[in-house]
Amino acid sequence: DVKVTQSSRYLVKRTGEKVFLECVQDMDHENMFWYRQDPGLGLRLIYFSYDVKMKEKGDIPEGYSVSREKKERFSLILESASTNQTSMYLCASSSNLRDRDTSTDTQYFGPGTRLTVL
Amino acid sequence: AQSVTQLGSHVSVSEGALVLLRCNYSSSVPPYLFWYVQYPNQGLQLLLKYTSAATLVKGINGFEAEFKKSETSFHLTKPSAHMSDAAEYFCAVSEGFGNEKLTFGTGTRLTIIP
Repeated sequence: DVKVTQSSRYLVKRTGEKVFLECVQDMDHENMFWYRQDPGLGLRLIYFSYDVKMKEKGDIPEGYSVSREKKERFSLILESASTNQTSMYLCASSSNLRDRDTSTDTQYFGPGTRLTVL
Repeated sequence: AQSVTQLGSHVSVSEGALVLLRCNYSSSVPPYLFWYVQYPNQGLQLLLKYTSAATLVKGINGFEAEFKKSETSFHLTKPSAHMSDAAEYFCAVSEGFGNEKLTFGTGTRLTIIP
């Protein structure tokens, strides 16, 4: 079974703090993604990575950065947390195989980190 | 640019009744479409996907969806709702493969009435 783990289920931080959200996958996947989930807005892509040390901006990268030093780990960084970054953060991983087999042609999600910035 | 629209942020159905969750897409290229489900306090998991092989797609837990190009729709249905179907459902679109960048809809929360 694919397992995607996120370092915390719940996190409370103060405005201006530097926040690290960690995601680890155990299936040797090349691709990793960070989304934030907000009521009424669905999931929005923040950053993604198709390889180690590679990153690409998603739809809402402002206020965030990422790090991918190892294949299995993808970190999301909030340089200076703000209250509008209070949200549920979901990490996902996937293989880069280009076929239609269901096991490879899908993203696997972690349980999420609910971040509150006070 | 691609996008999906889910009509109805909340849907309630009685146990045993038909479930219908609506999704319309917009894409400049032939789309690949997905439905994901999120149970309470869990991440998302793939329910089913359309990748042009067949317009009627069957997924897990008795769900199915039909791709209708003329209506740009990919609605999710289940003939008989079960209490365990209570969850949030997301439609998503990709211009490539499902393991690449996805664009999600805003989600529909399904409530089952006993």
